[in-house]
Amino acid sequence: EVQLLESGGGLAQPGGSLRLSCAASGFTFSSYAMSWVRQAPGKGLEWVSGISGSRGSTYYADSGKGRFTISRDNSKNTLYLQMNSLRAEDTAVYYCVGTGMTLAWGQGTLVTVSS
Amino acid sequence: DIQMTQSPSTLSASVGDRVTITCRASQSISSWLAWYQQKPGKAPKLLIYKASSLESGVPSRFSGSGSGTEFTLTISSLQPDDFATYYCQQYSSYPWTFGQGTKVEIK
Repeated sequence: EVQLLESGGGLAQPGGSLRLSCAASGFTFSSYAMSWVRQAPGKGLEWVSGISGSRGSTYYADSGKGRFTISRDNSKNTLYLQMNSLRAEDTAVYYCVGTGMTLAWGQGTLVTVSS
Repeated sequence: DIQMTQSPSTLSASVGDRVTITCRASQSISSWLAWYQQKPGKAPKLLIYKASSLESGVPSRFSGSGSGTEFTLTISSLQPDDFATYYCQQYSSYPWTFGQGTKVEIK
């Protein structure tokens, strides 16, 4: 069974940093492209960043370009999102999503940016 | 970026009704279209992938159709557990984009 478990969310101050992790199990992690998708309170879904399976090519939404860095450690079956220069508008639940034959979602981790 | 236009934004229906939600892409996405159901406080649940493939464990009353730029999600007979918000998503190319959502309410 495919499982994705996010961690690392919490309260951060404006201008601060957080590092999200997503632990994967139940599938060949290195074969899956992975993404981060977020949902601000009461809003719709917004793709944040993606990374290919083995070559590690990275992609970013304009909202996070230059501030967020996606990475993966295929030896640890883990996906990361380093978020710097956080803003109030980054407050959201962050989901990791794996793209294989279908799309697998984690349960999300809440990031709150507030002073 | 590919824009996804979902309609209607709200839908009032009764148990047993046939319900259809439409999603239009601003350019062709072939069949790289997914549909999700989301309930408050929960992660999105995948219903349909590749436009018409039913995710394992999802009831057969859910079906998807379309290709290119026009897609539909149909619930053949609405059940009490189906009152939720539904989203379409294109994963043809980055940036992935989502429809605005359709809230299915009790009539």
